[in-house]
Amino acid sequence: SAVISQKPSRDICQRGTSLTIQCQVDSQVTMMFWYRQQPGQSLTLIATANQGSEATYESGFVIDKFPISRPNLTFSTLTVSNMSPEDSSIYLCSVDPTSGRAGDTQYFGPGTRLTVL
Amino acid sequence: AQRVTQPEKLLSVFKGAPVELKCNYSYSGSPELFWYVQYSRQRLQLLLRHISRESIKGFTADLNKGETSFHLKKPFAQEEDSAMYYCALSTTGRRALTFGSGTRLQVQP
Repeated sequence: SAVISQKPSRDICQRGTSLTIQCQVDSQVTMMFWYRQQPGQSLTLIATANQGSEATYESGFVIDKFPISRPNLTFSTLTVSNMSPEDSSIYLCSVDPTSGRAGDTQYFGPGTRLTVL
Repeated sequence: AQRVTQPEKLLSVFKGAPVELKCNYSYSGSPELFWYVQYSRQRLQLLLRHISRESIKGFTADLNKGETSFHLKKPFAQEEDSAMYYCALSTTGRRALTFGSGTRLQVQP
C-alpha cells in the first residue's frame, strides 16, 4: 500500500490567481495521477505525472492551465493557473505503487478542496 | 475509448435488505474492473477488484463479459455501508482509472 498526503487540504482563492497543490507519497511509486472531482460529479483524470519528463494530459486539459511537476518518485505538484469559479473542485492525487500492471490497486490522497471566488 | 456507466445516482434500502449497485462498461479489450468506496469525510478507497475475486465487507462483484457488467452485491445491507460507490476501469494500455458517475447508497435503519 501507499500513504499519500496532500497540501493544502482546502483553500479559497480569488479569480485570476494560481494555486499549487502538493502530493507526497511515503514510498517510491512508478505512476502518479491527478484527478478532478467537480461538485456532484465523478472523478476525471487530468494528467499522468511522469517522473523525469512532461506530464501526459487528457483531452480537455492543457499544460498552461494545469502545469505539473514530478521531480522524483515520491512527490508531485499540480498548479491550477489563472483560476476561475469553474475550477472550484476537489483535486486528488493517486498513485500506483506496484509495477503498473492493469489490475493493480491505486491509492488516493485525501484531496484538496478548492473554492474560487 | 472506455466508458463506465452507473445508472443509479441514489439507491436507498433498509437494513438487512439485499443490495445491488449496477455497473456497465464499454471497452473492446479485456478490462480490469474495480469498485471504490468513499465514506463520509474519508478518502476514496478500494473496495474490491475483479482480478482478486474476493469478498470484502460482505460485498462481491462478478465480471460478466457477455453483458459487460460488474455489478456490486451484498445479501444483507448494514447501516455502515452507507457511502458513495464508484465503479472504475483500467486497461493494460491505460493505467489511469476511468470512473463511473457513482451511486450513493443509503441504508436506513
